[in-house]
Amino acid sequence: QMQLHQRGAGLLQPSETLSLTCSVSGGAFTGYYWTWIRQSPGKTLEWIGEITYTGSTNYNPSLSSRVTMSVDAAKKEFSLNVTSVTAADAAVYYCARCRGAAPPDIWGQGTLVIVS
Amino acid sequence: QSVLTQPPSASGAPGQRVSISCSGRRNNIGANTVTWFQHLPGTAPRLLIHNNNERPSGVPDRFSGSKSGTSASLVMSGLQSDDEADYYCAAWDDDLNGPVFGGGTTVTVL
Repeated sequence: QMQLHQRGAGLLQPSETLSLTCSVSGGAFTGYYWTWIRQSPGKTLEWIGEITYTGSTNYNPSLSSRVTMSVDAAKKEFSLNVTSVTAADAAVYYCARCRGAAPPDIWGQGTLVIVS
Repeated sequence: QSVLTQPPSASGAPGQRVSISCSGRRNNIGANTVTWFQHLPGTAPRLLIHNNNERPSGVPDRFSGSKSGTSASLVMSGLQSDDEADYYCAAWDDDLNGPVFGGGTTVTVL
């Protein structure tokens, strides 16, 4: 059974860079789109972007100027960086797996990010 | 503001049937399949329905999904106390070139 496990700092100051990493276990790393999604305190879910095992990326235009995703296929890990965070970036951040042009089917446990 | 529209809450007594609607547009639900997932705060969301009406292994058949045009529905029959959770719909959006989500429906078992 595939599992996604997240790690990264949850408390940031304004203007700092958010960095999260997601480790994939229990299944293949190739053939999927590895995705980051965030959920605001009001429960709204927002897709941040996705990356393949080859490093090909696709970002939400609303965040693309501050977002960078990277992948380490050998370690079966992918990462998210969001620069210049503000209070508006405070949310629970999830990593997830997508099969092509479809919503996620497997999610990580989430990381609460506080900006203060 | 969520792209897909869901009612904020739904409720039913144990054993009853609860239906949750999800409304979208031509470029998301109208063009692509719908996914539903169950979410308990602090845990990983759990996939309930994909491809409009398909259940992954392990999901009871009392959960069913359907889609018509730009709307979709999740039906839970034989409601149980551990069904209390938030339920979200999602679909690929061709304009965004990414997934979009409903605002979530909190289901309460009376």
